[in-house]
Amino acid sequence: KQEVTQIPAALSVPEGENLVLNCSFTDSAIYNLQWFRQDPGKGLTSLLLIQSSQREQTSGRLNASLDKSSGRSTLYIAASQPGDSATYLCAVDYGGSQGNLIFGKGTKLSVKP
Amino acid sequence: DAMVIQNPRYQVTQFGKPVTLSCSQTLNHNVMYWYQQKSSQAPKLLFHYYDKDFNNEADTPDNFQSRRPNTSFCFLDIRSPGLGDAAMYLCATSRPRQGVETQYFGPGTRLLVL
Repeated sequence: KQEVTQIPAALSVPEGENLVLNCSFTDSAIYNLQWFRQDPGKGLTSLLLIQSSQREQTSGRLNASLDKSSGRSTLYIAASQPGDSATYLCAVDYGGSQGNLIFGKGTKLSVKP
Repeated sequence: DAMVIQNPRYQVTQFGKPVTLSCSQTLNHNVMYWYQQKSSQAPKLLFHYYDKDFNNEADTPDNFQSRRPNTSFCFLDIRSPGLGDAAMYLCATSRPRQGVETQYFGPGTRLLVL
């Protein structure tokens, strides 16, 4: 069964810290892996997409890495800010023509001023 | 701005009373997805439309139906809502394998069943 797991479920850090969110997937034959952000009571916003042939992607203070062989991805957030407080979800696309995603439950991040 | 719109944002219904949630998009994406998300849970795919073709997930209850009258609109119908159907319902769109690999989400509809 294809599953996506995110640890920890929740994380609280002081402002300015660098932090890492973890995502693991059971089947390494992925097409791409995506990171989303979800604010309370809102929809999801795409942050980064890593193709299976890539090792990492960067956008501003965010860096996502992918290690297919170990079934892991990390989302690195540099110099965290209170505005980064949200739930971060990892999702895996296994390459079907329909683009279906398998989501993790997310990590709820709180950045304290 | 091109976007995915969901209406209403909040819906209160009574146990057993049919309800319809709406999603529209201006992105011209050919695939539209409906997800159910409960508190602290991963979004659960209910079904999706690939163009006009309906694709139901195996574990989606028969109580949930969908319609896509045209490219821009998609509806989620819950025929007889139960208390367990209270959740956030998310609509998303994409054009997978045709240049848009990520999914664009609407703001969601929060459903409350009394």
